[in-house]
Amino acid sequence: AQTVTQSQPEMSVQEAETVTLSCTYDTSESDYYLFWYKQPPSRQMILVIRQEAYKQQNATENRFSVNFQKAAKSFSLKISDSQLGDAAMYFCAYRRAGNQFYFGTGTSLTVIP
Amino acid sequence: DAGVIQSPRHEVTEMGQEVTLRCKPISGHNSLFWYRQTMMRGLELLIYFNNNVPIDDSGMPEDRFSAKMPNASFSTLKIQPSEPRDSAVYFCASSLELRAGGNEQFFGPGTRLTVL
Repeated sequence: AQTVTQSQPEMSVQEAETVTLSCTYDTSESDYYLFWYKQPPSRQMILVIRQEAYKQQNATENRFSVNFQKAAKSFSLKISDSQLGDAAMYFCAYRRAGNQFYFGTGTSLTVIP
Repeated sequence: DAGVIQSPRHEVTEMGQEVTLRCKPISGHNSLFWYRQTMMRGLELLIYFNNNVPIDDSGMPEDRFSAKMPNASFSTLKIQPSEPRDSAVYFCASSLELRAGGNEQFFGPGTRLTVL
């Protein structure tokens, strides 16, 4: 069965600093997608970044980047130059070749001014 | 596109009443998902549809919950009778089928349900 594990229920970072959120997953598939979603206090789920498993290059979106280690089944999110607006719950998600998505339990990120 | 639309945004009801949550997916998307989010249990998948057909409803808590998708542009999640433990935020999400090229889910704003 596919599972997604986020081992950090809570994290904090100083404004302008860098923080890394961890995610590991379990799968026997070779073709799949990985995602990070952000959920601010407004509750809206917002896609932050995606990674295709067949791509070796790590995805980057402005201040957000991932460290994708396929063999280790690890998919961490790095937020550089943290801003107050980055404070939110972050969910790691996995999608295999079917349509099912699997979400982690989330990491609550606090940004300290 | 207006994105995934959910209604109502907030619902307060009394125990035993029927509750119907509604969702309009993004036009052209053929997969639709219903999630429930609580502090205790996090984000749980209740059911998902592909081309209007329920594919996996193993997350539906019990017979009090039912979901339908009569056409590609509308889905409902019904709770009858409702109980206080059903209080949660219910999300609807849609996506393109993976082999069609789409791969991310787009979420609606959620419905906050409170059962007194």
